[in-house]
Amino acid sequence: EADIYQTPRYLVIGTGKKITLECSQTMGHDKMYWYQQDPGMELHLIHYSYGVNSTEKGDLSSESTVSRIRTEHFPLTLESARPSHTSQYLCATAGTPPEQYFGPGTRLTVT
Amino acid sequence: AQRVTQPEKLLSVFKGAPVELKCNYSYSGSPELFWYVQYSRQRLQLLLRHISRESIKGFTADLNKGETSFHLKKPFAQEEDSAMYYCALSGYNTDKLIFGTGTRLQVFP
Repeated sequence: EADIYQTPRYLVIGTGKKITLECSQTMGHDKMYWYQQDPGMELHLIHYSYGVNSTEKGDLSSESTVSRIRTEHFPLTLESARPSHTSQYLCATAGTPPEQYFGPGTRLTVT
Repeated sequence: AQRVTQPEKLLSVFKGAPVELKCNYSYSGSPELFWYVQYSRQRLQLLLRHISRESIKGFTADLNKGETSFHLKKPFAQEEDSAMYYCALSGYNTDKLIFGTGTRLQVFP
């Protein structure tokens, strides 16, 4: 079944640790996105990709990085986590027509 | 600056009452407007888009370019409509979305 998977769903980690948030999809979509959402606030686009080896920064500046080596996989990495990175991270894909489909999200807490 | 404003964080109504969730936008050009919904313990999903001009689950939204608004309406609210609703826009020839802060709709029995 076509779906978007995000792991882990919840992560509590100490300051300074390197973390990778996984996003994979079986939607067959080329376009993928990462959004960050603080509690009670709007979603902000932090990264997007239109295909393999294509990555761009979004509207909200982020210290995270992404890679797109395979169409199905769009991981997000924080080299050194800080409390300011505490947030929810949502992965999305888009096909044609350009409707965005969202994953379940990863709730990250950095202590 | 491109912006989506949802002035109400919380809207509470009784079942059967009309509902209007407000959305105003700021965009220099012709945007495409969307409403996304997130039910409890579910993912964010598209509810409707203005170009479709369709009614989904009894909800409609009309784009008013003069007032730069895209309010979501339903004549008779149901308990299952309780959810978080986000208004979003994308610019012409781009699929990047700009979201509002969301409005939580509570429908009481």
